[in-house]
Amino acid sequence: GAVVSQHPSWVICKSGTSVKIECRSLDFQATTMFWYRQFPKQSLMLMATSNEGSKATYEQGVEKDKFLINHASLTLSTLTVTSAHPEDSSFYICSAGRRTDPSEQYFGPGTRLTVT
Amino acid sequence: GENVEQHPSTLSVQEGDSAVIKCTYSDSASNYFPWYKQELGKGPQLIIDIRSNVGEKKDQRIAVTLNKTAKHFSLHITETQPEDSAVYFCAASKIRTSYDKVIFGPGTSLSVIP
Repeated sequence: GAVVSQHPSWVICKSGTSVKIECRSLDFQATTMFWYRQFPKQSLMLMATSNEGSKATYEQGVEKDKFLINHASLTLSTLTVTSAHPEDSSFYICSAGRRTDPSEQYFGPGTRLTVT
Repeated sequence: GENVEQHPSTLSVQEGDSAVIKCTYSDSASNYFPWYKQELGKGPQLIIDIRSNVGEKKDQRIAVTLNKTAKHFSLHITETQPEDSAVYFCAASKIRTSYDKVIFGPGTSLSVIP
């Protein structure tokens, strides 16, 4: 149990376009999902906390208008990178916690975004 | 906010030897400390965790110790195998609500030499 999926696993887009990444908890309900960004050989940096049915909470320095987060159900959160630029190229990872034990976070496999 | 430091940044050991990774945290209110293993191109996987009411926890070849007074916690891997080679992250969090952020350390790249 506790499987989190992400789609797509990798995506290439042109500069100026938008791309949507989905994060799904497959076998449990997640009140909260988290979005991270990871640059090569670096740690995971928390971007935002996604709460089902309410607005996301963004970390300092993360542009909310650029990284749109929607958490429409207890099993799905989406991250849309708007007007993507090459510097947005990164590995994006989501995590989700069970409603019954929010302390444990289960991570998705990640999405590799390349902006050309 | 919470800050997690981790040492060493890289670690090479011979197969069969032990590996130790150490972390410190800054927020005394943190009470949950997970460790993650990340293989290249994949998401992190939880390998072991410890809560503040416990000083040590072991799972087969992996053990974690916690010193709340000193705000230190460590990962110990015994009898290392080549498949243990990966990047390991320590992290800290507060168990209170369903909105607990996990703050990661910078990571340790472990290489197990056959």
